[in-house]
Amino acid sequence: GQQLNQSPQSMFIQEGEDVSMNCTSSSIFNTWLWYKQDPGEGPVLLIALYKAGELTSNGRLTAQFGITRKDSFLNISASIPSDVGIYFCAGPQGAQKLVFGQGTRLTINP
Amino acid sequence: EPEVTQTPSHQVTQMGQEVILRCVPISNHLYFYWYRQILGQKVEFLVSFYNNEISEKSEIFDDQFSVERPDGSNFTLKIRSTKLEDSAMYFCASRPFLLTGRGYTFGSGTRLTVV
Repeated sequence: GQQLNQSPQSMFIQEGEDVSMNCTSSSIFNTWLWYKQDPGEGPVLLIALYKAGELTSNGRLTAQFGITRKDSFLNISASIPSDVGIYFCAGPQGAQKLVFGQGTRLTINP
Repeated sequence: EPEVTQTPSHQVTQMGQEVILRCVPISNHLYFYWYRQILGQKVEFLVSFYNNEISEKSEIFDDQFSVERPDGSNFTLKIRSTKLEDSAMYFCASRPFLLTGRGYTFGSGTRLTVV
């Protein structure tokens, strides 16, 4: 099946820094979704991308759907403590299920 | 905004016992899912359900697992005889027919611990 590879696996940054993470696939996805997961909680949708080349913002978050449809990135500007968590990219495989990347764990030093 | 709700939030069970995890998907959604996340790992697909039947299942979803939508609102996952390796967070998700907007919405999960 399709696999999503996220990088980096973890990030340790200072509060206020910008963050960039990405997700790649060997095959095409028609939708890219970025989720954040807090400890003990379910994934919460941050940004959904439905068209190749699409650049979408949600507050301090910006995500782009790569033109080849095989990659996507997520940027967070001016990080704050509540940005801590695990960020997952995900995409639908076939008509039904979502496949997830391995996640990027973000840690912020105040 | 409408939410997917899951109960219980935590469940501890003895190995070999049956457990039922419950979910109330978003009311106008048509596709329903169960996912699993072992501690520290990624979220893994278990099963999808559409039009009152399983539409796809993963190799994890063996004969010990079953799903049911007993009425118009609940969606349950049953594990018939739990094993230690079934310990994980289980997430229910739902989505509308057309994948737009919020797309897939996840519940907060049930943490299952098998002892």
